[in-house]
Amino acid sequence: AQRVTQPEKLLSVFKGAPVELKCNYSYSGSPELFWYVQYSRQRLQLLLRHISRESIKGFTADLNKGETSFHLKKPFAQEEDSAMYYCALSPPSSASKIIFGSGTRLSIRP
Amino acid sequence: SQTIHQWPATLVQPVGSPLSLECTVEGTSNPNLYWYRQAAGRGLQLLFYSVGIGQISSEVPQNLSASRPQDRQFILSSKKLLLSDSGFYLCAWARGTLGQQYFGPGTRLTVT
Repeated sequence: AQRVTQPEKLLSVFKGAPVELKCNYSYSGSPELFWYVQYSRQRLQLLLRHISRESIKGFTADLNKGETSFHLKKPFAQEEDSAMYYCALSPPSSASKIIFGSGTRLSIRP
Repeated sequence: SQTIHQWPATLVQPVGSPLSLECTVEGTSNPNLYWYRQAAGRGLQLLFYSVGIGQISSEVPQNLSASRPQDRQFILSSKKLLLSDSGFYLCAWARGTLGQQYFGPGTRLTVT
């Protein structure tokens, strides 16, 4: 079955500390993987996708096919990073259907 | 540029009443369209998606239905609302099979 698991509902870290939001997926092929973010009072929006291999707002995510993980990392958290983060996968040729995880709320303490 | 609209923003309806939520996209043609329900602690659940006019795929059995009467219009409906239909409903669009989706502002539905 296709599934995305985010084990942490809430993650609270101090400003300046490293952040890692965990994501594991279950899919037999090679899906496309994403991180979406929802800031307070804003729309859900794409943060980054694994095929781009880019860093957005200091965040990176590495796909580990062996562990079927796509953890989101940032070396130094900032207060504006506080938001709800969703890991998601899209099976290839699936009409862009996306399967979302349950989300992790990241809270950055000053 | 492309934009996606949803209305109403909030809605309070009694149990057993009908429902119609509307989503429209501007600035693109033949988009894939999606309806999600966002529940606390459960993430986003895909309810329906559509790859063209009149083409609807349902992902989960439920009390809701969807229709796409025009290329850039996607409607979520119910004949009789249940308490369990309460939630935050999101509409999204995507280009073909490129993966990324663009989300609307959402509708907060409360069934009383």
